[in-house]
Amino acid sequence: SYVLTQPPSVSVAPGQTARITCGRNNIGSKSVHWYQQKPGQAPLLVIYYDTDRPSGIPERFSGSNSGNTATLTISGVEAGDEADYYCQVWDSTSDHPPYVFGTGTKVTVL
Amino acid sequence: EVQLVESGGGLVQPGWSLRLSCAASGFSFHDSVMHWVRQAPGKGLEWVSGIIWTNGDVGFADFAKGRFTISRDTAKNSLFLQMNSLRPEDTALYYCAKGGDTSGYFFEHWGQGTLVTVSS
Repeated sequence: SYVLTQPPSVSVAPGQTARITCGRNNIGSKSVHWYQQKPGQAPLLVIYYDTDRPSGIPERFSGSNSGNTATLTISGVEAGDEADYYCQVWDSTSDHPPYVFGTGTKVTVL
Repeated sequence: EVQLVESGGGLVQPGWSLRLSCAASGFSFHDSVMHWVRQAPGKGLEWVSGIIWTNGDVGFADFAKGRFTISRDTAKNSLFLQMNSLRPEDTALYYCAKGGDTSGYFFEHWGQGTLVTVSS
């Protein structure tokens, strides 16, 4: 099956940097998108096409993708960044759904 | 402002049917791809189905094939998900989502979701 592996949890102190990984063999050949989901809310797109930020998303959010790992980096973490984060790819090969989400990472701000 | 408002969820028994609706506004539907994504209680996100607004081409996750149908009403800017033969494992919050740019490869805007509970 097609699995995008994320760490279940990441803890970070305010002002520090959180890095959330999304792993799969050769994920660097795909475009990766990232979503933030706060409790009781719908997901919010924070990074698309590996590195692009939608309007209104702070510059503190950045992305990278190379080799077997894509990474969402949150610099200068704030209490309001506490949420679940999901990576996602589109892959048109036939043995799985074309849209696949990662397993999700809960970010806790200490 | 993009608005996506889902409705139609509820409590149904296994084997029953349900039709979800999504009223969409605030964007050009030309070249849009619209999706349904679900989230079981306490679980992650799972793509259900998508439709290309202009030509009606559709796609489904394996669990939805043969049971779910996606459609749209272009005159009313509405998206639908007809769900038949519902199973307890279909219990989830169902989100309507607008695909990003013309590719639809990501989910740019999301509604607040409508809850479907399948239980006897």
